[in-house]
Amino acid sequence: GENVEQHPSTLSVQEGDSAVIKCTYSDSASNYFPWYKQELGKRPQLIIDIRSNVGEKKDQRIAVTLNKTAKHFSLHITETQPEDSAVYFCAAFEWGYALNFGKGTSLLVTP
Amino acid sequence: DAGVTQSPTHLIKTRGQQVTLRCSPKSGHDTVSWYQQALGQGPQFIFQYYEEEERQRGNFPDRFSGHQFPNYSSELNVNALLLGDSALYLCASSRGLAGGRRNEQFFGPGTRLTVL
Repeated sequence: GENVEQHPSTLSVQEGDSAVIKCTYSDSASNYFPWYKQELGKRPQLIIDIRSNVGEKKDQRIAVTLNKTAKHFSLHITETQPEDSAVYFCAAFEWGYALNFGKGTSLLVTP
Repeated sequence: DAGVTQSPTHLIKTRGQQVTLRCSPKSGHDTVSWYQQALGQGPQFIFQYYEEEERQRGNFPDRFSGHQFPNYSSELNVNALLLGDSALYLCASSRGLAGGRRNEQFFGPGTRLTVL
């Protein structure tokens, strides 16, 4: 089955700096890669996703890149703000199956 | 437009007991997936229901079972509870069977299960 590795497990940045979270996946059949943000005690919220036929997608301060050959994808957050502090999960999805999540990255943005 | 809802919010049980958790999908969604999220971990896929049938199943024992009703709502049942079953149980809904044009899954707030 699919195995998703996520790094780093914790990340601390200064407000205004950029944050990058990286994930690798094992199953080349995976074709959909969402990112979720989970604040303490709350549900995971979809923040951005990318499909295997696209290499990069951007939504305001958030961008995701996908390298299918290397089987890795990354989340980029620019101009970080304290409200970006949360746990971020990457996931990989294969047609007909379900989301396989990474173990999460705890992002702390300090003022 | 109501999002995904789950009940109850919190639940405390003792070892060996049985529990039923409930989920109502987002309006317009017909597929429900259940996940277990242990503290400090990512969600782990339990199973997925579509057209009232279990379509996919993760690596969970038969103690975990489910059901989907004609109105697309779903239940997760766990028998013979173990201490290790303590976790946040999330349901997520999507439109169409996994793998369709829209894979986006939207999560409910979860049920926090504590097994003593």
